[in-house]
Amino acid sequence: TQLLEQSPQFLSIQEGENLTVYCNSSSVFSSLQWYRQEPGEGPVLLVTVVTGGEVKKLKRLTFQFGDARKDSSLHITAAQPGDTGLYLCAGVGGNQFYFGTGTSLTVIP
Amino acid sequence: EAGVAQSPRYKIIEKRQSVAFWCNPISGHATLYWYQQILGQGPKLLIQFQNNGVVDDSQLPKDRFSAERLKGVDSTLKIQPAKLEDSAVYLCASSSLLAGYPGYNEQFFGPGTRLTVL
Repeated sequence: TQLLEQSPQFLSIQEGENLTVYCNSSSVFSSLQWYRQEPGEGPVLLVTVVTGGEVKKLKRLTFQFGDARKDSSLHITAAQPGDTGLYLCAGVGGNQFYFGTGTSLTVIP
Repeated sequence: EAGVAQSPRYKIIEKRQSVAFWCNPISGHATLYWYQQILGQGPKLLIQFQNNGVVDDSQLPKDRFSAERLKGVDSTLKIQPAKLEDSAVYLCASSSLLAGYPGYNEQFFGPGTRLTVL
């Protein structure tokens, strides 16, 4: 059973546009992680957010952890074709990971 | 540092046949995970090992799936007999706790094995 719901499920945008992906849960997690997965490869960790309300920025990517540590968002500014991939959030509880439903992003040149 | 190795990368079998996947985690990583991922969806945990002991196998279909991690290093995942709905990518990941705090735990994934059951 998936504990984390991501929206949207699919997203196709033009290069240069901005986008936001949401990750929602009814459960509280110790931390929340975002991964990106490219075709034929395993997911790769982008960021870990730990504190409620925390905001982290990685170049054009901004990650936010909800105050109640149940939800998170990923915002991409000026998307580029290299951002194309499957974005996965994962709630961390103890030594276990609970992955979201995934958001497939396509950035069209 | 070598990453997580998996083999084979691709496998095509007929339903009711058996198949086995192999995973070699990053050296020194105590925790090993097997996930099943349907195309375009998030990975679903099948089994988690801590060294050579099972931590969580609640979502492993035990009537047909089995996994072992001998000596706490390499692991194999077996399906016998396979069904059509087992067609998926099987991902192996490993992790090592940082500073004893699970919140900073990072999983490193292998490239996966794509299984097609005909």
